[in-house]
Amino acid sequence: DIVMTQTPSSQAVSAGEKVTMSCKSSQSLLYSENKKNYLAWYQQKPGQSPKLLISWASTRESGVPDRFIGSGSGTDFTLTISSVQAEDLAVYYCEQYYDTPLTFGSGTKLEIK
Amino acid sequence: EVQLVESGGGLVQPGRSLKLSCAASGFTFSNYYMAWVRQAPKKGLEWVATISTSGSRTYYPDSVKGRFTISRDNAKSSLYLQMNSLKSEDTATYYCARQGYPLDYWGQGVMVTVSS
Repeated sequence: DIVMTQTPSSQAVSAGEKVTMSCKSSQSLLYSENKKNYLAWYQQKPGQSPKLLISWASTRESGVPDRFIGSGSGTDFTLTISSVQAEDLAVYYCEQYYDTPLTFGSGTKLEIK
Repeated sequence: EVQLVESGGGLVQPGRSLKLSCAASGFTFSNYYMAWVRQAPKKGLEWVATISTSGSRTYYPDSVKGRFTISRDNAKSSLYLQMNSLKSEDTATYYCARQGYPLDYWGQGVMVTVSS
């Protein structure tokens, strides 16, 4: 199974600050035939179901603010929020869909100071 | 608008069975793989099952293989999860999700509590 490791487990920032969170996979998520990374980021706000933010490591879903930026390739990935807003309070999960079983990271909880 | 609405959750004793349903609307259900993902209280996300568009292929993690069965009825735009031999560790909120590479839409979830 592909193990997904997210750091940090929690982070507290002030509104307007930049935040970055990391996701590392135990094997490469880059598929050589199409040069795509099979890595997604989800946002789960308190009391809500997860929402897809980014697919293919860096493609924002429709309607997702451009302050959310996904980057990375292979085994190392990053989600950056360029200027955190109060509504970004949530847990952020990465997920690999390169192979079954689909696996998720343990999440990064973002708190607003 | 894509909508996924789960139902069928509740309190069940260890060793018993329960069947979850997910009603889909707002998209051509038969064109998409579908999945179940669960989340134990205060814990992270765990993939539980995936089914192909026709239902001919199903996939499970070892934690539920042989106990859970995913199925679908394309005529009714419905997804199901039959859960047998339930254990306390199966207690979780179960989400139905459209698997459009990746899990692009999720339902609101349904709670399953396994306890005597």
